[in-house]
Amino acid sequence: KAGVTQTPRYLIKTRGQQVTLSCSPISGHRSVSWYQQTPGQGLQFLFEYFSETQRNKGNFPGRFSGRQFSNSRSEMNVSTLELGDSALYLCASSRGDGDTDTQYFGPGTRLTVL
Amino acid sequence: GQNIDQPTEMTATEGAIVQINCTYQTSGFNGLFWYQQHAGEAPTFLSYNVLDGLEEKGRFSSFLSRSKGYSYLLLKELQMKDSASYLCAVLYSGAGSYQLTFGKGTKLSVIP
Repeated sequence: KAGVTQTPRYLIKTRGQQVTLSCSPISGHRSVSWYQQTPGQGLQFLFEYFSETQRNKGNFPGRFSGRQFSNSRSEMNVSTLELGDSALYLCASSRGDGDTDTQYFGPGTRLTVL
Repeated sequence: GQNIDQPTEMTATEGAIVQINCTYQTSGFNGLFWYQQHAGEAPTFLSYNVLDGLEEKGRFSSFLSRSKGYSYLLLKELQMKDSASYLCAVLYSGAGSYQLTFGKGTKLSVIP
């Protein structure tokens, strides 16, 4: 079974631009969660999508948004990029059926904002 | 917020045993995960505990005490390839949904 894939793997943008990241979950998984990872803060939860609906949201500003398509693929968008948005963005997929659900991570997208 | 605390760094010798501790807030607890993350790579799932006690999986074991809000990951017969960050993550429930909250990770260095 293929794992979680993310594109692109690396991205360089400048302040003020916007960016869209893509995540394809493991086949059969309906939940996709997004995380931001930085050396100082560790892994921080952005949001979770399940069946095309945002089911959960972390404490990030509205510049961070996402969506999920009917095939469970998900995209994350960051508008008006700031230097502090430089990070590794990870997505994780799971079945989405609750309390014993294990999340499996993709390789991440390394975003650098100049 | 739901703070999850684990040591920032640890060093251990090849062939030895190391224990990585994790403490968390117990309110809303629905399970605890350990992930391994090598530098520049994605986190990979190691273990899941939801009941008190020890779960053993080869050289790795994970322990949970729900009443104490405490878990540890035990790595035996350490190998150089075990040098990585180990992430403790707690699944919290609230308002009908679940959210996985991560600690900042413990960077383990295995030395010869």
